[in-house]
Amino acid sequence: QKEVEQNSGPLSVPEGAIASLNCTYSDRGSQSFFWYRQYSGKSPELIMFIYSNGDKEDGRFTAQLNKASQYVSLLIRDSQPSDSATYLCAVNPSAGGSYIPTFGRGTSLIVHP
Amino acid sequence: EPEVTQTPSHQVTQMGQEVILRCVPISNHLYFYWYRQILGQKVEFLVSFYNNEISEKSEIFDDQFSVERPDGSNFTLKIRSTKLEDSAMYFCASKGVGSYNEQFFGPGTRLTVL
Repeated sequence: QKEVEQNSGPLSVPEGAIASLNCTYSDRGSQSFFWYRQYSGKSPELIMFIYSNGDKEDGRFTAQLNKASQYVSLLIRDSQPSDSATYLCAVNPSAGGSYIPTFGRGTSLIVHP
Repeated sequence: EPEVTQTPSHQVTQMGQEVILRCVPISNHLYFYWYRQILGQKVEFLVSFYNNEISEKSEIFDDQFSVERPDGSNFTLKIRSTKLEDSAMYFCASKGVGSYNEQFFGPGTRLTVL
């Protein structure tokens, strides 16, 4: 059973701070990793994806991947109240023809003014 | 910007009734998916569809479920005889050719089974 684990939170940070969201996964051969943002009652919105070890930056967002530790994280710099949402980590399985991601339960982020 | 659309946004039905949820994927995408999310729980994969056939399906996707691409634009999920536990948000997603697996989700249909 492929597992993707996230702390459900809520993670509460003040406006302007860095929010750090973490995700671990069980399938060592996982190939690609995605972060989705989901506002309450809305659909997941893709914000970042990463395939290689290291950091990937896009605006205020940085995804970090460490395949040896089976760990992926999302940093949000200069957090804004509009960043308050649930952040879903999704992991693609090992190579073998399946492209169906496994989702974590998500971490609820609250950015307070 | 192109987007996935879904109708209806909310469907209320009686237990045992059939429902059809509709999706229009992004126009140049060729891979289509249905997911569901029970309130407060994970997003769960149901089925993927490519080249007019199911490519993968989960244990949730039993004989009560079917998918169809009746024309060049719509992608539908049918639940033949709804159960109370089918109440959930149902999301359609699509993916283009050449991308690793960057799936784009529609806004969802909230299904309520009474």
